[in-house]
Amino acid sequence: GAVVSQHPSWVICKSGTSVKIECRSLDFQATTMFWYRQFPKQSLMLMATSNEGSKATYEQGVEKDKFLINHASLTLSTLTVTSAHPEDSSFYICSASGLAGGPVPDTQYFGPGTRLTVL
Amino acid sequence: QKEVEQNSGPLSVPEGAIASLNCTYSDRGSQSFFWYRQYSGKSPELIMFIYSNGDKEDGRFTAQLNKASQYVSLLIRDSQPSDSATYLCAVNRGSQGNLIFGKGTKLSVKP
Repeated sequence: GAVVSQHPSWVICKSGTSVKIECRSLDFQATTMFWYRQFPKQSLMLMATSNEGSKATYEQGVEKDKFLINHASLTLSTLTVTSAHPEDSSFYICSASGLAGGPVPDTQYFGPGTRLTVL
Repeated sequence: QKEVEQNSGPLSVPEGAIASLNCTYSDRGSQSFFWYRQYSGKSPELIMFIYSNGDKEDGRFTAQLNKASQYVSLLIRDSQPSDSATYLCAVNRGSQGNLIFGKGTKLSVKP
């Protein structure tokens, strides 16, 4: 149980285009989903926290207009990187936290990640 | 003081030895503590969680928690080369389940 998927697993795009990444909790309902970014050999960096049906909370320094997050249901959150540039190339990872009574309530379960390369 | 601190390593142990990974945290109100393993190029994978003081064992892994000392550790017995990875300590903050991650300790198990 507690499986989180991400799609796509990797994407290459041209500078200036937008890219959407989907994060799904497959076997539990996730009240909260988290989006992280990780550059090579660096630690995880939390970008934003999203709760189903409400606006995402962004970490300091993360541009909310550039990284659009939608958490429309208890099993799906999306991250859209708008007008992507080469410096946005990174490993984007989502995680999901379940309802009380589900899999260890405050545990975060990670998706496999999406590797974005912007040319 | 950083919220969650880990020695970045690398920690190198021979195959079959016990690997000891340590983590300290600053928020005395923290209630939930997690260990994740992250292989190079992959996303983190949950290994163990612990809520109560003392030890919690799961196979070759033992998590130890001492809330008075604000210290949590992970022991890996009979270390295998496949255990070579970065181990992330995470501590719960707040009611939403936000986790604060340490920067991770890189473990290398030599055959």
